[in-house]
Amino acid sequence: DARVTQTPRHKVTEMGQEVTMRCQPILGHNTVFWYRQTMMQGLELLAYFRNRAPLDDSGMPKDRFSAEMPDATLATLKIQPSEPRDSAVYFCASGVWTPLGGGSGANVLTFGAGSRLTVL
Amino acid sequence: AQKVTQAQTEISVVEKEDVTLDCVYETRDTTYYLFWYKQPPSGELVFLIRRNSFDEQNEISGRYSWNFQKSTSSFNFTITASQVVDSAVYFCALSEYNQGGKLIFGQGTELSVKP
Repeated sequence: DARVTQTPRHKVTEMGQEVTMRCQPILGHNTVFWYRQTMMQGLELLAYFRNRAPLDDSGMPKDRFSAEMPDATLATLKIQPSEPRDSAVYFCASGVWTPLGGGSGANVLTFGAGSRLTVL
Repeated sequence: AQKVTQAQTEISVVEKEDVTLDCVYETRDTTYYLFWYKQPPSGELVFLIRRNSFDEQNEISGRYSWNFQKSTSSFNFTITASQVVDSAVYFCALSEYNQGGKLIFGQGTELSVKP
């Protein structure tokens, strides 16, 4: 089965350090999403891309978070500087979006295993 | 505004009982999609089902069944004869066509099935 690959799986860092999380979407998927999961907020959408172009990053704290897709096989989420409140599981997901006339028009998102971040 | 509400935070049942997980959604779009995902203790999110707003037929897959009712904006999920392996957090999600396919999740329902 095709998988979304996320690295690292676990990261412990100290406050103020830069953290970069990477995601390899499924080949052929044209949309990539970053979600954050915490006990308090549940699953929050941070940002997403279609055909490598950012569509919406309104869920991200702009001053410290950035998301990019340098190529079709790699999406990155960077936090600089990290803070304890950033501790969470970060999920990457990919899917296929097509115009309604040409297909389902809906993503069935395949999620990666997540990156568990702990900021001390 | 789009919103998904899963009012049941936790449910505990004994094996072989039937259990229904509720999901209520809000949307202004006429074209939208509803999903259920399962998150077992291992942490990954596993896709279970997708429904589009034009198809109100109920669906059954083994012990799982889904009831979609546009009149009440609900998309409920029933597990028949629950098993310990069904223990997980279950998320209902909404995707509006005009929002580019992003999923908005409910808060999740943690199901515990005891032997």
